[in-house]
Amino acid sequence: QQQVKQSPQSLIVQKGGISIINCAYENTAFDYFPWYQQFPGKGPALLIAIRPDVSEKKEGRFTISFNKSAKQFSLHIMDSQPGDSATYFCAAGYNFNKFYFGSGTKLNVKP
Amino acid sequence: DVKVTQSSRYLVKRTGEKVFLECVQDMDHENMFWYRQDPGLGLRLIYFSYDVKMKEKGDIPEGYSVSREKKERFSLILESASTNQTSMYLCASYPGGGGTGSRETQYFGPGTRLLVL
Repeated sequence: QQQVKQSPQSLIVQKGGISIINCAYENTAFDYFPWYQQFPGKGPALLIAIRPDVSEKKEGRFTISFNKSAKQFSLHIMDSQPGDSATYFCAAGYNFNKFYFGSGTKLNVKP
Repeated sequence: DVKVTQSSRYLVKRTGEKVFLECVQDMDHENMFWYRQDPGLGLRLIYFSYDVKMKEKGDIPEGYSVSREKKERFSLILESASTNQTSMYLCASYPGGGGTGSRETQYFGPGTRLLVL
């Protein structure tokens, strides 16, 4: 079964808007939750990551919100730009032995 | 910068052929991974390796094997390619040893898009 569920599958946002992508997990042993950004023709690259001991992590326009009790975490992109158009993957892992990835969200930011 | 390279960006093979996908990392990382990426399914782990000559099955190992004879090189082998193995294949590496920070990550190569006819 899918260890990490991601939604929506695709997202269209106007320039300057807020993009929100959600993920949910089941395994409470997960202790590391990264988000990856992938541009066409490239491999995924780490965008931002969080550990379950904090509820929010912000880096520039990107924020992870983490709800341990609900086993959910989300990525917020503030002031979305056309250059943010990419596919975003959430992931979850423990001990860095294995990572489980969500199904991906294709974000299109319209100018 | 960590660099993970994959031998081919695009490959076209015929059903039944033996296919080798090569991955090389230049940062002396202990851990290496092979994923396949399919639309709507995300990245699924095929095999990973903690050290030279060591390998572990991931979530979808059927139809695949791997080889790690040198630390920097991790090969994915399709013994007899089938059309359902048409996919994007991504290699990744990770330094190992775990960590307590929040920037640890797997470093990905650019991917190999394989078409099996």
